[in-house]
Parts: sequence; C-alpha cells; structure tokens
Amino acid sequence: SAVISQKPSRDICQRGTSLTIQCQVDSQVTMMFWYRQQPGQSLTLIATANQGSEATYESGFVIDKFPISRPNLTFSTLTVSNMSPEDSSIYLCSVDGGRASNYGYTFGSGTRLTVV
Amino acid sequence: SQKIEQNSEALNIQEGKTATLTCNYTNYSPAYLQWYRQDPGRGPVFLLLIRENEKEKRKERLKVTFDTTLKQSLFHITASQPADSATYLCALGSSGYSTLTFGKGTMLLVSP
Repeated sequence: SAVISQKPSRDICQRGTSLTIQCQVDSQVTMMFWYRQQPGQSLTLIATANQGSEATYESGFVIDKFPISRPNLTFSTLTVSNMSPEDSSIYLCSVDGGRASNYGYTFGSGTRLTVV
Repeated sequence: SQKIEQNSEALNIQEGKTATLTCNYTNYSPAYLQWYRQDPGRGPVFLLLIRENEKEKRKERLKVTFDTTLKQSLFHITASQPADSATYLCALGSSGYSTLTFGKGTMLLVSP
C-alpha cells in the first residue's frame, strides 16, 4: 500500500496566521483527500484534490479558508488560512489504496494544529 | 441526514476475551463498510472491507459481519491482547467512486 509522509506533525500558531500542511505519497495517485478530526469527533472530509483541477470542497468548507494545491500526482498541500482557535484540530491527508490494498484508505500520520 | 453510530463509551475487556464493537447507520445504503484502527497521535490504519453482499469477512483474529437489514456491522477481535488497545472506526462508502463517511470510533482497552 502507499506510504504518505505528512508534515508538520504538529504546530502551535497565532490566530490570524496561516499554516500549510504538506503530504507526499510514494506512488502516483489520482485523488488525495483532506480530513479534519476534532477532539472526540469523527473524521470530516474537507475536500478532494485532483491533479490538474480545482479541489472539490464539502459543505461547510470553502477554498478561501482551506486552499489546496495539487501540482502533481504525488504531492498536495492544504493551507489553513486566517486561523482562529476553532481551527485547532488534527488534519489528515489520505489516498485510496485501490485494489492492491482492498480499497482501504491510507492516511498520513496527521498534523496536530493548536491555534492560540 | 446520514448518521453513523459507534459506542462512545470505551470498551474494557480482559486479555484473551473476544472484543465486539458495533457500528450502526441510518439514512444510508452503503455498498461497502470498512474498519480502521487509530492509535493516539496517528492516522487511521485500514483493517478490513466488507461489501453489501457479504455477510462475514475474516482476517487472522478479526471478524466483521455486515447486516444490511439491521443496518449494522459488528467487529470482533478474538483472543484480544493489550496491543489491540486503540480506537476503532467504521466507515461507509457508496457504489462507484465515492468518499468515505466515518463514525466517531470506539476506544477499546484490553487489560492484562
């Protein structure tokens, strides 16, 4: 199955600033997914990132707040913009493992963001 | 709206016993259901997938059942070990290409 390197693993940021999270996959994948996991909550999909096109955002998430780049088939970034304490959460990227992984998703190790 | 329910309370069991976790869903007709394990500070790790036309799936000490009439999946770990202590998430997917919808997960604690 794919291996994902996600960084940073954690950060403490001042409100009003932005943080960019990077995910590097060791193989080419069509779609990459960005999730948020708030304390005690389920993983919530933020957006789906396709290479060469704009990301598709889920209800409640907008591009101005969470801009995503997908410059090639192995890399994506998620930026959390103009942060507030409510953005404190774990952010995860993932890919669909496909048939080789019995269609399970592979996740990065997550970025634990604290906004102060 | 779609809803996935997993026991919010932690499940405490003794080593060697069988752990059974429940995933119930409403307002959803999933084509498949997946189970993941998540350790603190880590991303979820895929364990098993079961399709809507499958009643049961096994992998080593793991067994998953899927009852589309009851809208429920049961996840069993036999001969549980302290190393099995983690949070277990269920996730549902629709036919064709679709994104997953996750439950909140249930924490399992296996004591020696």
